[in-house]
Amino acid sequence: DGGITQSPKYLFRKEGQNVTLSCEQNLNHDAMYWYRQDPGQGLRLIYYSQIVNDFQKGDIAEGYSVSREKKESFPLTVTSAQKNPTAFYLCASSSIAGDQPQHFGDGTRLSIL
Amino acid sequence: KQEVTQIPAALSVPEGENLVLNCSFTDSAIYNLQWFRQDPGKGLTSLLLIQSSQREQTSGRLNASLDKSSGRSTLYIAASQPGDSATYLCAPDGSSNTGKLIFGQGTTLQVKP
Repeated sequence: DGGITQSPKYLFRKEGQNVTLSCEQNLNHDAMYWYRQDPGQGLRLIYYSQIVNDFQKGDIAEGYSVSREKKESFPLTVTSAQKNPTAFYLCASSSIAGDQPQHFGDGTRLSIL
Repeated sequence: KQEVTQIPAALSVPEGENLVLNCSFTDSAIYNLQWFRQDPGKGLTSLLLIQSSQREQTSGRLNASLDKSSGRSTLYIAASQPGDSATYLCAPDGSSNTGKLIFGQGTTLQVKP
């Protein structure tokens, strides 16, 4: 079945530690996105990529980094510079034609130890 | 800067009722608008996508309308069922078709048997 796989489902971070969230898609989509969701709030865009080896900052990119070395993969690293990383992280993908919806993974919940 | 507001924030109805969820946005220069459903602790599921040139889209018991000039979209759910209980999110895309969705905070719907 085609879809988006995020791993792990739950992740814990210690002070000063970088952690990487995985996102893989087999939908052959060119565009991929990372969103952050805080309790009772809508999603906010962290980074997005419309093509391999290129990505753009979203609204809240500070303290995060990404790479796009393969079309299928768009990992997100939460660095120690992100002072409030506790949140639900969602990865999405879509075609770039603009007439198809974004598809989402099931998310990774990150907490601070 | 695009701002999205969804009213009401929460809604509880008995099974079988028809209901309307409202979404308003401040910048009418949008490429499309998407409606999503989110179950607790899960990712988003796409319900409907309306292109800026369209007035409405229908899928089963769901109908979404778009009035771009007034910055409004509505999601109509006919004959509601307990399985419709979830949070519903609307998200317009900017005029440049970057896929940069701006999300509202959502309407949490509870349908009682």
